[in-house]
Amino acid sequence: GAGVSQSPRYKVAKRGQDVALRCDPISGHVSLFWYQQALGQGPEFLTYFQNEAQLDKSGLPSDRFFAERPEGSVSTLKIQRTQQEDSAVYLCASSPRMGAYEQYFGPGTRLTVT
Amino acid sequence: DQQVKQNSPSLSVQEGRISILNCDYTNSMFDYFLWYKKYPAEGPTFLISISSIKDKNEDGRFTVFLNKSAKHLSLHIVPSQPGDSAVYFCAASRRTYKYIFGTGTRLKVLA
Repeated sequence: GAGVSQSPRYKVAKRGQDVALRCDPISGHVSLFWYQQALGQGPEFLTYFQNEAQLDKSGLPSDRFFAERPEGSVSTLKIQRTQQEDSAVYLCASSPRMGAYEQYFGPGTRLTVT
Repeated sequence: DQQVKQNSPSLSVQEGRISILNCDYTNSMFDYFLWYKKYPAEGPTFLISISSIKDKNEDGRFTVFLNKSAKHLSLHIVPSQPGDSAVYFCAASRRTYKYIFGTGTRLKVLA
């Protein structure tokens, strides 16, 4: 079956622009996660959804970052007034169980802020 | 402060030999560990995991060893194949969904 998909795969934004990154999890997966991966680093946790409920947003770096999953499937990560330090790969992952340990990752969206 | 460390950024191994990738952690509360493999332009793919109640888990060519007293885990790949060339991340959690990832080790298997 289809894996986790993300769009766009690449995004270039001018500093100050707003961006929206989309994640389509594996159908039926309850849990959804967003990670930020800076160059040369491992992925860092941003936020976690269980169905439509955002249970943990402790990793969001500032209030410019906002995530939603209104119907418990597709999720959008929005970054307002982008800054150069937001440049990174944003990874989405999903999991079939609540709080499950094996997460299935999408290919990521590479965001470059100029 | 990096709670999960992969001190070798890269490793080269001849095809057919053993690859050993290492990972150290600082938080003794971690009780579940995973290895992910990542190819360029793709997301990380789950490889193998181990719970802190075990010291070894094996899956085909891949074996993960956990030394809790040393706060160290390692991934052994035997025999190494060119298709294993990728970046390998270890991750740790406290029995929750929140993984802490290391910075990765780039493995190159030479034909």
